[in-house]
Amino acid sequence: AQSVAQPEDQVNVAEGNPLTVKCTYSVSGNPYLFWYVQYPNRGLQFLLKYITGDNLVKGSYGFEAEFNKSQTSFHLKKPSALVSDSALYFCAVRDGNAGNNRKLIWGLGTSLAVNP
Amino acid sequence: GAVVSQHPSWVICKSGTSVKIECRSLDFQATTMFWYRQFPKQSLMLMATSNEGSKATYEQGVEKDKFLINHASLTLSTLTVTSAHPEDSSFYICSAPPHRGYNGYTFGSGTRLTVV
Repeated sequence: AQSVAQPEDQVNVAEGNPLTVKCTYSVSGNPYLFWYVQYPNRGLQFLLKYITGDNLVKGSYGFEAEFNKSQTSFHLKKPSALVSDSALYFCAVRDGNAGNNRKLIWGLGTSLAVNP
Repeated sequence: GAVVSQHPSWVICKSGTSVKIECRSLDFQATTMFWYRQFPKQSLMLMATSNEGSKATYEQGVEKDKFLINHASLTLSTLTVTSAHPEDSSFYICSAPPHRGYNGYTFGSGTRLTVV
């Protein structure tokens, strides 16, 4: 069964420190992996994705993520956190071999709090 | 680019009335639209997938007669919450899957529905 796990409900980090939001996945085919951010009462904003190619993906707002096939992980990282990064972060996966089935499987989300 | 315009942003309605939420793709044609429901501080729950020119596909446990989905054209998908009750209060988000010229998922800004 396809699934996405975000093991941490909440992550707290001090401003200026590096941050990591964890994500692991399970799909039967090639994973297409995504990170989205959501601010209160807003839709989701795309941060980055991995489809193929370089395992280190750079995205919006200074975020990056590393695809690790052996560990089936796609952790989101940023070298220096900002207070404005405080939001809800979602990891999602799609089975790249699923043909026309383009549904995304979502993690439960991780609330990131960056403290000044 | 890829923009999905979702309206209204928020709506308050009385129990027993119906509410229509619209999602329009502004600069592309969306043959498919995903409709999600999100409870506070929780992940996105896929309700149904609308397809232009055919019936929507509902996820298990979602009432078809309660949540009417129509994909009237290549640029418009609507979700109507019929005979709304307080338990239908939630945040509803639409999303268009990747399409020609853009290989990401595009989200509407969401609709906060409050049934009183």
